[in-house]
Formats: sequence, structure tokens, C-alpha cells
Amino acid sequence: QKEVEQNSGPLSVPEGAIASLNCTYSDRGSQSFFWYRQYSGKSPELIMFIYSNGDKEDGRFTAQLNKASQYVSLLIRDSQPSDSATYLCAVITGSGGYQKVTFGTGTKLQVIP
Amino acid sequence: DGGITQSPKYLFRKEGQNVTLSCEQNLNHDAMYWYRQDPGQGLRLIYYSQIVNDFQKGDIAEGYSVSREKKESFPLTVTSAQKNPTAFYLCASSIPAGGYNEQFFGPGTRLTVL
Repeated sequence: QKEVEQNSGPLSVPEGAIASLNCTYSDRGSQSFFWYRQYSGKSPELIMFIYSNGDKEDGRFTAQLNKASQYVSLLIRDSQPSDSATYLCAVITGSGGYQKVTFGTGTKLQVIP
Repeated sequence: DGGITQSPKYLFRKEGQNVTLSCEQNLNHDAMYWYRQDPGQGLRLIYYSQIVNDFQKGDIAEGYSVSREKKESFPLTVTSAQKNPTAFYLCASSIPAGGYNEQFFGPGTRLTVL
């Protein structure tokens, strides 16, 4: 079992729809969770992070965390063609010293105009 | 402007050559990282450094070497021992504190072996 799993996609949604991206992780001790967006040929940029169970909203983006079920999701409302990118889930484990960061392989999102 | 710079943007290497990728940050971050990304893949950790003069192997360190002589700089050398070095290399930095570890990424170096 991979430490962080994401469906590679592509996930295709029409413009204006809600895109739902999911990520599961294997280490129950994982503490914090990040969503990065990566355009083709570019470096990842942080979209959101979440530590606590529940929802966290930032503009059109909502991160959802369920530690009991070991999954974290990212919802993108009113999807735009500019949202078309690969979305990477990153999971942090450990405390103090080195905090291990593990990335998923990413889900490619295509927003169809 | 604060940020991370990587150079060169594109690098071509002949088989058997060592090449060094540059990574510099002016964010005053203690921790720095090198990742490798292959097409359609996530990021795999090569090396990381939490403080100056200290670094640790990541998941795929074989064929790579690093140094951390200054807080701002974390160069990566791809040696001839790395059998398949063609990839996109990303450098990142962060302030590890508690459970929060947002990583800021440089623009990347695309290495191609000829």
C-alpha cells in the first residue's frame, strides 16, 4: 500500500461545476495535510493546508479532513479552465526533528469550457 | 523579493558526466529539500537538510550528492552513478515547526541525458 494515494485521473468536469479530488494516507500518525497545484512544466504551489478534522474553506476551495477514515479531499467550486492542473496531496508525519513529507502522485484535473 | 531560485532551468548532460544543480533561497528557512519528478509521477525525496552542515538521505539518494555549507544554498550533484537521471528536479525550503511544514518550491531544473 502506498503511503499517500491519489487517483491519477484525468478528472474531467465542466466549467462551473464542483471538482472533487481525493487523497488517502496510510500513517494514522499523520498530522498535517497540504494540497498543491502544479501546472504542466511548473513547480507546485500551495493551495491549502489542513490539520483538524472537518472542513476548511478558502474562496472557491474547501479542504476536508477525516482522520478516522484517513482521507483528505479538496473541493473546487465553480471550476474554471484555469484550474486545469495536477493537484498533489502532501502528508506530514513526525514531530520535532525531521517531519517527513510524502507526496501523492497527483490527480490531473481538466475543466472543460 | 523573497524566494527560491534554481539554475539552470534546462541542463543537458552527456553520459558519464557529473553535473551540479544550484538552489538558493533568501527566505531564511532552515530546512531545504531536493525532489525528483518523473512524467506522471509525484515528488520523490532525494536529500534534505535541516541545518547548515547537516543533511540526510531521502528515498532515492543513490547516485546523488549534496552539500549545505551555507543556510541559503543547497546544491545537488547528479553523479555518473545515477543510471537514469533524466527528470525534473525541484528544490524546496521550509521552516519546520510543530506539525506545520509548508514547502516553498523553486522553479525547477529539467535535466536531460544525451
